[in-house]
Amino acid sequence: QKEVEQNSGPLSVPEGAIASLNCTYSDRGSQSFFWYRQYSGKSPELIMSIYSNGDKEDGRFTAQLNKASQYVSLLIRDSQPSDSATYLCAVKGGGDKLIFGTGTRLQVFP
Amino acid sequence: GAGVSQSPSNKVTEKGKDVELRCDPISGHTALYWYRQSLGQGLEFLIYFQGNSAPDKSGLPSDRFSAERTGGSVSTLTIQRTQQEDSAVYLCASSRGALFDEQYFGPGTRLTVT
Repeated sequence: QKEVEQNSGPLSVPEGAIASLNCTYSDRGSQSFFWYRQYSGKSPELIMSIYSNGDKEDGRFTAQLNKASQYVSLLIRDSQPSDSATYLCAVKGGGDKLIFGTGTRLQVFP
Repeated sequence: GAGVSQSPSNKVTEKGKDVELRCDPISGHTALYWYRQSLGQGLEFLIYFQGNSAPDKSGLPSDRFSAERTGGSVSTLTIQRTQQEDSAVYLCASSRGALFDEQYFGPGTRLTVT
């Protein structure tokens, strides 16, 4: 079983729609969760961090965490073509390292 | 302020040669991490420094890989006797080092072993 799992996509949504990206993790003791965006040929860019159950909003982005279900998600409202990228879910493992999912490719079409 | 910087941005080397990759973390960040991303693969953890110490080297794939950090700042990742399977983008990240802190990535070094 992979430690952090994401659907590879692509997830295609029209401009202006809500994109919903999902991630599950296997280590029930995990405390810290992150979403990164990675454009093709670029390095990962931190979008959101979340540590407590519930929702955390930042602009058009909302991260949701459910530790009981070992599930974390990212919602992108009013999706724009510039949001087209690969979104990486990361969970902080033992020793502070991040364990990454393989990413979900998002395509926002005009 | 300045972000994480890495050099070189690209490195092409012949199989069997040694290479050194450099990372300069965000000023004041005590923790530094090296990851590797192969084509079409996820990010793979290599090593973590807290200050100049490396409490977690568990991700180094073989003894050909080593890393050091001096002065609590710059880190160098060295790959000896490079092999074609070492071709990847090597990413460095830094954080303040607290339990919940976010990691910020540099632009990466693309290594190609021919």
